[in-house]
Amino acid sequence: GEDVEQSLFLSVREGDSSVINCTYTDSSSTYLYWYKQEPGAGLQLLTYIFSNMDMKQDQRLTVLLNKKDKHLSLRIADTQTGDSAIYFCAESWDTGRRALTFGSGTRLQVQP
Amino acid sequence: DARVTQTPRHKVTEMGQEVTMRCQPILGHNTVFWYRQTMMQGLELLAYFRNRAPLDDSGMPKDRFSAEMPDATLATLKIQPSEPRDSAVYFCASGLGAGNEQFFGPGTRLTVL
Repeated sequence: GEDVEQSLFLSVREGDSSVINCTYTDSSSTYLYWYKQEPGAGLQLLTYIFSNMDMKQDQRLTVLLNKKDKHLSLRIADTQTGDSAIYFCAESWDTGRRALTFGSGTRLQVQP
Repeated sequence: DARVTQTPRHKVTEMGQEVTMRCQPILGHNTVFWYRQTMMQGLELLAYFRNRAPLDDSGMPKDRFSAEMPDATLATLKIQPSEPRDSAVYFCASGLGAGNEQFFGPGTRLTVL
């Protein structure tokens, strides 16, 4: 099968760190993406990591990649109420012809 | 500020009516995607095009759905006849290559009564 899996829901308190997890399917994936969807809007790219990297940091965001376990995580430091959204991970292994495979999305709720 | 645009943003129609949704991809992008999002099914890929030619439409119900790219600046998704189970948010996205970053439009929220 071709399922990218994510937990459905995560609730954190404002100021805490959030960790959203994803398991993907193909060890030959080239890029792995994190998208954010705010209410009433389309998905927006947050960050991505190339498969030969273990970690990528971008301000409050840290992406960790464990290729052996096919596990991807997104850590959001100092989570704010504006981070409340649905977060999708997606994998790519054929940038020419094969569309991204998206996970089901994790709804992050940030409590004030 | 290059963006994917979609029209209409909202559509309410009655069962059996034809619905046409339009998308203008970002200029220069050669790949266009149509997705459907519902609470129950999540985000589903319906079809995608590269250089205006369909690459994969296996996610689309063929009996009532059709997708076309009349030219490089317009993609259409048509449902005829529409049914209540088609109620969803339909997203268009564009990009350079099928597996590269996709830029999403704001979506068309369709309600079929």
